[in-house]
Amino acid sequence: KAGVTQTPRYLIKTRGQQVTLSCSPISGHRSVSWYQQTPGQGLQFLFEYFSETQRNKGNFPGRFSGRQFSNSRSEMNVSTLELGDSALYLCASAWSSGSHEQFFGPGTRLTVL
Amino acid sequence: QQQVKQSPQSLIVQKGGISIINCAYENTAFDYFPWYQQFPGKGPALLIAIRPDVSEKKEGRFTISFNKSAKQFSLHIMDSQPGDSATYFCAARSGGSYIPTFGRGTSLIVHP
Repeated sequence: KAGVTQTPRYLIKTRGQQVTLSCSPISGHRSVSWYQQTPGQGLQFLFEYFSETQRNKGNFPGRFSGRQFSNSRSEMNVSTLELGDSALYLCASAWSSGSHEQFFGPGTRLTVL
Repeated sequence: QQQVKQSPQSLIVQKGGISIINCAYENTAFDYFPWYQQFPGKGPALLIAIRPDVSEKKEGRFTISFNKSAKQFSLHIMDSQPGDSATYFCAARSGGSYIPTFGRGTSLIVHP
């Protein structure tokens, strides 16, 4: 059974640009959550999508947005990139919204110059 | 506001020793406490989890001890092995809010 896949694995952008990250959940999983991981702030929840609807949202500015498609694949978009957005962005999938057991992907390492 | 405080930040243990990582929480609404293990270049993986109605849960060499009155829980790794070298995160989650709160992580190094 394939795990959670994230693309791209590495990304370098400059300030002011925007970026789109992609996540394919485990087959059959309908919930996708996104997290930001940095050395300073640790793991922080961004948002969760279930059945193409955002179900939960963390405390991040509106520059961070996402969406989920009918096949449960999800994308996360960050507009007007700032240096502080440099981080590892993790996607986690679960059977349903609120499921305690989440399976994380390897992450996308975003560097903003 | 850090709702889950994890310590120590780093830990060095000899092979065969016991690794102990502690977490303390503030929100009494938390009802699920998982531990994650993360290797470099990988995402976190669920290691073991506990609910507050039990005081201890053991899976192989990994044990969670839970003290509800003190609002603390800890991970014990018995017979630590070099392959256990990773970063460990505790987390807490409540049924009312599906947003998990993570500790800052502990970098564990097990020397052979």
